Amino acid sequence: QLVVSGGGLVKPGGSLRLACDASGFRLSDSYMSWVRQAPGKGLEWLSYISLSGSVSDYAASVDGRFTVSRDNARNSIYLQLSTLRVEDTAIYYCVREMLNGAFDLWGHGTLVTVSS
Amino acid sequence: ENVLTQSPGTLSLSPGDSATLFCRANHTVSNNHLAWYQQRPGQTPKLLIYGASTRATGIPDRFGGSGSGKDFTLTISRLEAEDFAVYYCQQSGYSPRTFGQGTKVDIK
Repeated sequence: QLVVSGGGLVKPGGSLRLACDASGFRLSDSYMSWVRQAPGKGLEWLSYISLSGSVSDYAASVDGRFTVSRDNARNSIYLQLSTLRVEDTAIYYCVREMLNGAFDLWGHGTLVTVSS
Repeated sequence: ENVLTQSPGTLSLSPGDSATLFCRANHTVSNNHLAWYQQRPGQTPKLLIYGASTRATGIPDRFGGSGSGKDFTLTISRLEAEDFAVYYCQQSGYSPRTFGQGTKVDIK
């Protein structure tokens, strides 16, 4: 399973670091992504990280503000959220990505609320 | 960006009916890297179909995926109460990965 932590209430312009801890499988064998869902809205892919962490990719909406990383020894991945905006308010999910690009395992998600 | 457009926005059906959901991409989805997800209210999305037509583990054969190129379809036969949910398509053949806006299947 995937357990996500680190969400909460933050002011516009602030920062947060989300963590995703994996259990039951080796994270080092898995490509990973982050996906978010604003309240009452659809799913938005945010970021991808390769097995070693050497390759990452971002949605245009968060490129330059969010940074994905991983620590395979800790079986964890992270998403650093910076320069947060009100429109970043959402549930943030950590997901395991299959070789064919489908997301087969979803964490329960953590709510990030950006508000003054 | 490969924009995915799902139709219809809402499908109102009765238990036992069949549902056909569409997902159209504005660029060819390479390698048929197209997936479908189900999200019930208050729950995390669940993978139903990957590679356009392969059912994920544990998904009943009432769910079927088809299509290639830019046009894809999710078919649900014999709708059960638990199938009334929102369905999303997603592609990863073209960076960035993208989701469709969703189709809600609700009870008529």
